[in-house]
Amino acid sequence: GQQVMQIPQYQHVQEGEDFTTYCNSSTTLSNIQWYKQRPGGHPVFLIQLVKSGEVKKQKRLTFQFGEAKKNSSLHITATQTTDVGTYFCAGWGAQKLVFGQGTRLTINP
Amino acid sequence: DADVTQTPRNRITKTGKRIMLECSQTKGHDRMYWYRQDPGLGLRLIYYSFDVKDINKGEISDGYSVSRQAQAKFSLSLESAIPNQTALYFCATSDAGTGGTDTQYFGPGTRLTVL
Repeated sequence: GQQVMQIPQYQHVQEGEDFTTYCNSSTTLSNIQWYKQRPGGHPVFLIQLVKSGEVKKQKRLTFQFGEAKKNSSLHITATQTTDVGTYFCAGWGAQKLVFGQGTRLTINP
Repeated sequence: DADVTQTPRNRITKTGKRIMLECSQTKGHDRMYWYRQDPGLGLRLIYYSFDVKDINKGEISDGYSVSRQAQAKFSLSLESAIPNQTALYFCATSDAGTGGTDTQYFGPGTRLTVL
């Protein structure tokens, strides 16, 4: 079945440093979604990418969808303590979303 | 999201007991899902339902059953709980949207511990 792999599993940075998480699918995706889960909270939708090579920005967050629509990345510029949490990618396939394992981001203020 | 509620929020039970987790939504979405979250394993789909008469198994349905009582209600049952079902359980809803976007709206989660 479809698999979505996400790396790294954990990332610890100093506040102000950049952060990137990568997502790779075993199959071509029709779209990819990103979610953020704050500690003790539930996943919250951030964004969806649909087009090959698409790049979207939300303030300090930059999302990319690969040309082959099998990989994606989330980059945070100049992290802040409010960025702490776990970031999940999710690929749409076979009538349901398949989530990556998530990248847990911790930040040293 | 306050539009998706789960009860109970926390539950401790013993091996062999039957447990039901309930989910209600006021978003008017047709699609509902049950996920399980374990550290390092992300969110794994247990069951999903695209409407009241539609129930589908996800990737880890063994040991679980579901009931879609109404458009707004979707319950998850553990017929005979075992310790490795200790996890955080999330209910989610979505609508198909144009182009099948299926953005997931998650409930607050139920933390289940099986002793």
